[in-house]
Amino acid sequence: AQKVTQAQTEISVVEKEDVTLDCVYETRDTTYYLFWYKQPPSGELVFLIRRNSFDEQNEISGRYSWNFQKSTSSFNFTITASQVVDSAVYFCALSGYYNQGGKLIFGQGTELSVKP
Amino acid sequence: EAQVTQNPRYLITVTGKKLTVTCSQNMNHEYMSWYRQDPGLGLRQIYYSMNVEVTDKGDVPEGYKVSRKEKRNFPLILESPSPNQTSLYFCASSLFGGGAGETQYFGPGTRLLVL
Repeated sequence: AQKVTQAQTEISVVEKEDVTLDCVYETRDTTYYLFWYKQPPSGELVFLIRRNSFDEQNEISGRYSWNFQKSTSSFNFTITASQVVDSAVYFCALSGYYNQGGKLIFGQGTELSVKP
Repeated sequence: EAQVTQNPRYLITVTGKKLTVTCSQNMNHEYMSWYRQDPGLGLRQIYYSMNVEVTDKGDVPEGYKVSRKEKRNFPLILESPSPNQTSLYFCASSLFGGGAGETQYFGPGTRLLVL
């Protein structure tokens, strides 16, 4: 069975702190894809990143960076110098290569609160 | 603007009163899907449609129906809503047939309260 675990339910930081959101996944597929989505207080889901299982290179996009480690089945998300606008719920998701119906398996989400 | 739209955005209804939540995308996407979001559970897939000819159940289809009569629309129908269907609903779409790894783009969500 496929599963995504985001053990951190809530995180609170002060602006300008760095923060890492953990994501651990389980799958038996050798080919799979990992995603991060952001859900701001307004409620919509915003796509952040997609990563396939053959590409373990870390990625950086501005203040955001992602660390993919197959050895520990983790795909962690770091926000550097956090800002109040980063306050949101963040979801990690998995799609196995043989996923029926193109289903995304979501974690429970991590609610990040950045205080001024 | 390329987008997935949902209507209504907020809905309060009573048990047993049939309702439809519409979903439309203007990106010519083949694949569309419905998810529900509940606290502590993340998002779970209700139904999906690989194209206008193929529709199938996801993980939590009980109490829901869908139809895909045309490519751009994928309405979610609750024939007899119950309080346990109170949730936040998302429609999503992707370009091809929902193959693994495709990025799915989500609508703004519909908050449903069933009394």
